[in-house]
Amino acid sequence: DGGITQSPKYLFRKEGQNVTLSCEQNLNHDAMYWYRQDPGQGLRLIYYSQIVNDFQKGDIAEGYSVSREKKESFPLTVTSAQKNPTAFYLCASRMGGGSVTEAFFGQGTRLTVV
Amino acid sequence: AQSVAQPEDQVNVAEGNPLTVKCTYSVSGNPYLFWYVQYPNRGLQFLLKYITGDNLVKGSYGFEAEFNKSQTSFHLKKPSALVSDSALYFCAVRDTTNAGKSTFGDGTTLTVKP
Repeated sequence: DGGITQSPKYLFRKEGQNVTLSCEQNLNHDAMYWYRQDPGQGLRLIYYSQIVNDFQKGDIAEGYSVSREKKESFPLTVTSAQKNPTAFYLCASRMGGGSVTEAFFGQGTRLTVV
Repeated sequence: AQSVAQPEDQVNVAEGNPLTVKCTYSVSGNPYLFWYVQYPNRGLQFLLKYITGDNLVKGSYGFEAEFNKSQTSFHLKKPSALVSDSALYFCAVRDTTNAGKSTFGDGTTLTVKP
């Protein structure tokens, strides 16, 4: 089945620790996105990538980093510089290339600082 | 700049009654508009989109939305609500001049009571 897979589903981080969230898609999509979801605040864009080996900061990139070495993979690292990382993280992909297509979302990773 | 407003945090309707979830937008160019639904602890699922053409757009699960350019609105509607429609609904907009980035509203929680 084609789709977008996020792992793990739940993740616990200690203070001062970096953690990496995985996002893999087999839809052959060019564009990939990371969003953060907090209660009552909707989705906020962290980083996005429209093509392999290129990515741009979104609205709340501070304390996060990404890489896009392969078309199907777009991992997100939450660094110790992110002071309030507890949230639900959503990865999405889209066909890209100027097409007006909808985004496909993964099932999310819930990150909790302990 | 682009923005989306969902003026109602919560909408309650009785099963079998029509439902409306409101969305207004602001863009500098022509808008591409989307509706997504999210069930608890899951990713977002695409419902429908407006690109151009007919102002009434039909989507998944019996939902439809009406694009109104003069009122800059894109309200989601369904003639007869089901209990299973209870979920969190997001409106999103993408400006035709804004390469690949969508802005999401804060979401509206729809509760359909039997």
